[in-house]
Amino acid sequence: EAQVTQNPRYLITVTGKKLTVTCSQNMNHEYMSWYRQDPGLGLRQIYYSMNVEVTDKGDVPEGYKVSRKEKRNFPLILESPSPNQTSLYFCASSVDTGNQPQHFGDGTRLSIL
Amino acid sequence: QKEVEQDPGPLSVPEGAIVSLNCTYSNSAFQYFMWYRQYSRKGPELLMYTYSSGNKEDGRFTAQVDKSSKYISLFIRDSQPSDSATYLCAMTPFGAGGGNKLTFGTGTQLKVEL
Repeated sequence: EAQVTQNPRYLITVTGKKLTVTCSQNMNHEYMSWYRQDPGLGLRQIYYSMNVEVTDKGDVPEGYKVSRKEKRNFPLILESPSPNQTSLYFCASSVDTGNQPQHFGDGTRLSIL
Repeated sequence: QKEVEQDPGPLSVPEGAIVSLNCTYSNSAFQYFMWYRQYSRKGPELLMYTYSSGNKEDGRFTAQVDKSSKYISLFIRDSQPSDSATYLCAMTPFGAGGGNKLTFGTGTQLKVEL
């Protein structure tokens, strides 16, 4: 089954404690992306990657890091999480060209206390 | 002002009703328009995808784009309780594929009641 898998699905942690949210896709997609979803603000892109070792900033990259060492994986790293990063996070993937839509994971709800 | 405006709802309708969901936008460069459906505790899934102005129908769903008014709509006929979800509009100057930045509306929460 084609899917985008995120882990963990839920996490409560404290300010300053480094965390990583993993994302893996089994569709051999070149393009992967991270979004955060906040009430009243909708989905906003954090970072994206067009292919292995190629990443770029989205609209709200501050406080986040990503890496793309393998095609299937695109982890989101919060080196020093702060309460304003409490949000619902989604990973998405698609082929890199044309009109094939992005496939989203089921989300990771992060609470930073 | 946001590039894409969408009424957050919630919108509550009886089963069988025709539902109209709408978005307005300000960027005239947008040419590709999408509607995503998001169930609770799930990621968005693509429902409809249209290019430029006009209508597109898929079963009970019709997407309508009016570029002159910068206004898009999603109509759901014979609404079912299983249609209860949040509906997100999204748009881009280019295709929906990777590398083409999507701008999302904030979503409209729909509840279809028995």
